[in-house]
Amino acid sequence: AQTVTQSQPEMSVQEAETVTLSCTYDTSESDYYLFWYKQPPSRQMILVIRQEAYKQQNATENRFSVNFQKAAKSFSLKISDSQLGDAAMYFCASTGGATNKLIFGTGTLLAVQP
Amino acid sequence: DARVTQTPRHKVTEMGQEVTMRCQPILGHNTVFWYRQTMMQGLELLAYFRNRAPLDDSGMPKDRFSAEMPDATLATLKIQPSEPRDSAVYFCASGLPDSPYEQYFGPGTRLTVT
Repeated sequence: AQTVTQSQPEMSVQEAETVTLSCTYDTSESDYYLFWYKQPPSRQMILVIRQEAYKQQNATENRFSVNFQKAAKSFSLKISDSQLGDAAMYFCASTGGATNKLIFGTGTLLAVQP
Repeated sequence: DARVTQTPRHKVTEMGQEVTMRCQPILGHNTVFWYRQTMMQGLELLAYFRNRAPLDDSGMPKDRFSAEMPDATLATLKIQPSEPRDSAVYFCASGLPDSPYEQYFGPGTRLTVT
């Protein structure tokens, strides 16, 4: 069974600073994907970034990047130049196998201080 | 701007009543997922459809929940009879045919059962 663990229930960062959110996962699948979703107070689930497990290069999307350590089953999200609009709940998720269902972590609530 | 739409956005009902939630996937997407979000359980998959056929509904209480896709543009999730423990936010997500591991979420239906 797949599991996703986020050990940081809450994090805080100063505006314009950098913050890293942690995520570890466990899976028996050889082909899988990893994701970070952002959920602001509006509740909308927004895909921030994704990583294919077969790719060694870390994914990057503007100010968002990941540190994918496959052997350690670690998938952290780095947010650079944090903005007030980055404040939200962030969910790490994995998927793989026949059903493609997303397995979510418990989330990290990120606060951005002005 | 293609989006997954869900109706209603909010629903308050009394215990024992039937609840129907609707989802319109993004045109051209052939996979549809129903997720439920609660404080206690987090985000969990209820049902998964591919090409309108149910492939995985193991997360759904069968005695009161049912999910269908009458056609490619409509997915429904019904609860009958509803119970207070069903209070949650229900998300629909749809996926691309050539990218089964990427899912786009609707805005969710917030259900309150009193």
